[in-house]
Amino acid sequence: SQTIHQWPATLVQPVGSPLSLECTVEGTSNPNLYWYRQAAGRGLQLLFYSVGIGQISSEVPQNLSASRPQDRQFILSSKKLLLSDSGFYLCAWSVTDLYGYTFGSGTRLTVV
Amino acid sequence: AQSVTQLDSHVSVSEGTPVLLRCNYSSSYSPSLFWYVQHPNKGLQLLLKYTSAATLVKGINGFEAEFKKSETSFHLTKPSAHMSDAAEYFCVVSNSWGKFQFGAGTQVVVTP
Repeated sequence: SQTIHQWPATLVQPVGSPLSLECTVEGTSNPNLYWYRQAAGRGLQLLFYSVGIGQISSEVPQNLSASRPQDRQFILSSKKLLLSDSGFYLCAWSVTDLYGYTFGSGTRLTVV
Repeated sequence: AQSVTQLDSHVSVSEGTPVLLRCNYSSSYSPSLFWYVQHPNKGLQLLLKYTSAATLVKGINGFEAEFKKSETSFHLTKPSAHMSDAAEYFCVVSNSWGKFQFGAGTQVVVTP
């Protein structure tokens, strides 16, 4: 069966520090991978998606970046965090539009 | 282009009474439609999906939704609310390219 792992579950980081959130998928090959952010009181915002190794599409300009070094690994990074980067980050994968997304359990990031 | 509108940002129901969460969509193609539920500080869980088969879709936890093409709607219902149904619910539409559009979410409160 397919599983998705996302860590850490919570993170408190000072302004200006770097960020690395990791997401891995098991039990499937060549998934579409996504990073979403959910700010307090707001809906889900698509940040990045990837259809293959090294292929990253950015939906929203910001100080975040994403990488896909392996088929089932998706990393969200920042060199210098801003206060506005606080939020709940969700990784997801899909194979086709017919089956929807499977989401990770999320990372609560608080930038202080 | 595609979009999804959840008509209610908050819904409050009494335990044991019916729940109705409204969702309207627009899509240039025959869409796939989904409902997700998110409990606090958790990832999103798929409740049900419509992928051009039966228009009445049954999901987990007693939820169901009906696809009405003439009304461009995909409303979510449950005959009898339970306290554990208190959560945020997202309606999602996808197109043939695998791009998913989330609604803004509906917060459900269940009172004893």
